[in-house]
Amino acid sequence: NAGVTQTPKFQVLKTGQSMTLQCAQDMNHNSMYWYRQDPGMGLRLIYYSASEGTTDKGEVPNGYNVSRLNKREFSLRLESAAPSQTSVYFCASSYLAGGNNEQFFGPGTRLTVL
Amino acid sequence: RKEVEQDPGPFNVPEGATVAFNCTYSNSASQSFFWYRQDCRKEPKLLMSVYSSGNEDGRFTAQLNRASQYISLLIRDSKLSDSATYLCVVNRDRGSTLGRLYFGRGTQLTVWP
Repeated sequence: NAGVTQTPKFQVLKTGQSMTLQCAQDMNHNSMYWYRQDPGMGLRLIYYSASEGTTDKGEVPNGYNVSRLNKREFSLRLESAAPSQTSVYFCASSYLAGGNNEQFFGPGTRLTVL
Repeated sequence: RKEVEQDPGPFNVPEGATVAFNCTYSNSASQSFFWYRQDCRKEPKLLMSVYSSGNEDGRFTAQLNRASQYISLLIRDSKLSDSATYLCVVNRDRGSTLGRLYFGRGTQLTVWP
């Protein structure tokens, strides 16, 4: 089992460009999440999908959109990248949302917006 | 006020030392509590859940004080491999916040030989 995979691992964009970060999990998890991690800020939730067919905003959703393509895949789109979106992006999944359900993280995407 | 506050450290300790990390959370509706570990330039991984009665996993002991909204992690007999950032995490588990984890900024630990 690969667990949670993310592509790409690294990306450099110019301001205004768009891109989609891909995430897939092979653990038959119902819930998936997108976080960003900035120095001194900790991880912050961007969007999540408690189950296939649903998505909800997290703490910092502005400038992003998501698609829960199927049970395995959850993508994050930046329509018009801004330097403030320079960050490390982590995708995570859990069997169910909430409770003591462990969240498993992918290896991250390091994004720089110039 | 941040949801979860941690002392960022860094903590630098010799092998074999005992070290303790503390964390406070602001929302009394928080239901579930965790410590995650993050190695440099890697993803976070669950170290242990924290239960109301306190719990132990080998050299690691976690405690929760709901009245003070305080969580702690104790590491005994530190190993070089314990060097990492330790993230305090809470989950409110209610209504619209179901499934949302709130992360502290992390406490950096370096264990030296």
